[in-house]
Amino acid sequence: DTAVSQTPKYLVTQMGNDKSIKCEQNLGHDTMYWYKQDSKKFLKIMFSYNNKELIINETVPNRFSPKSPDKAHLNLHINSLELGDSAVYFCASSQDGSGRASVFGPGTRLTVL
Amino acid sequence: DAKTTQPPSMDCAEGRAANLPCNHSTISGNEYVYWYRQIHSQGPQYIIHGLKNNETNEMASLIITEDRKSSTLILPHATLRDTAVYYCIVRSLNAGGTSYGKLTFGQGTILTVHP
Repeated sequence: DTAVSQTPKYLVTQMGNDKSIKCEQNLGHDTMYWYKQDSKKFLKIMFSYNNKELIINETVPNRFSPKSPDKAHLNLHINSLELGDSAVYFCASSQDGSGRASVFGPGTRLTVL
Repeated sequence: DAKTTQPPSMDCAEGRAANLPCNHSTISGNEYVYWYRQIHSQGPQYIIHGLKNNETNEMASLIITEDRKSSTLILPHATLRDTAVYYCIVRSLNAGGTSYGKLTFGQGTILTVHP
């Protein structure tokens, strides 16, 4: 019954590694997002996809590459991980981009050592 | 999207109403007021939104002043499980282009409900 799910829930890795976080929603929404919450708890949007097309890229380094194989999935791949990438990453979805309520996933806590 | 100002923290006794204020003095005519909350270690959860009329749902009530420059989220009977960070967000329902669906979170109000 999970609406927006993310895997893994926790991810601990070394600097320089490449890792992916997966997100799936079963709500039939056509817009999906990635948000990052840093150590100061500040929550900020990174990307928005609508029907598999990139809509928003909030000046995120190109080491971050989202991929949307279909409307229900939005994965986040991160190359050459840095210490500053340590954060909680939240996936979200909404019916469209018009501002209807976004549903957030449980988050993935990424720790880069 | 208009900027919002919220108190950094508030306390409330269990069973009492929690009234969380938000100032959005630069709100424009096509912008809605949204409220989300984030319980510790969980993803943000939608609570309610409104344009100019007061709104109520199973979770809360939203009171928007007539000039729309401020609003109050009311949790009528707060419980310990309502302890969370509450975010007031203002955005246009018709935003397109680079604002498509985007939610801009501020620092929010840490609400602590105590027994």
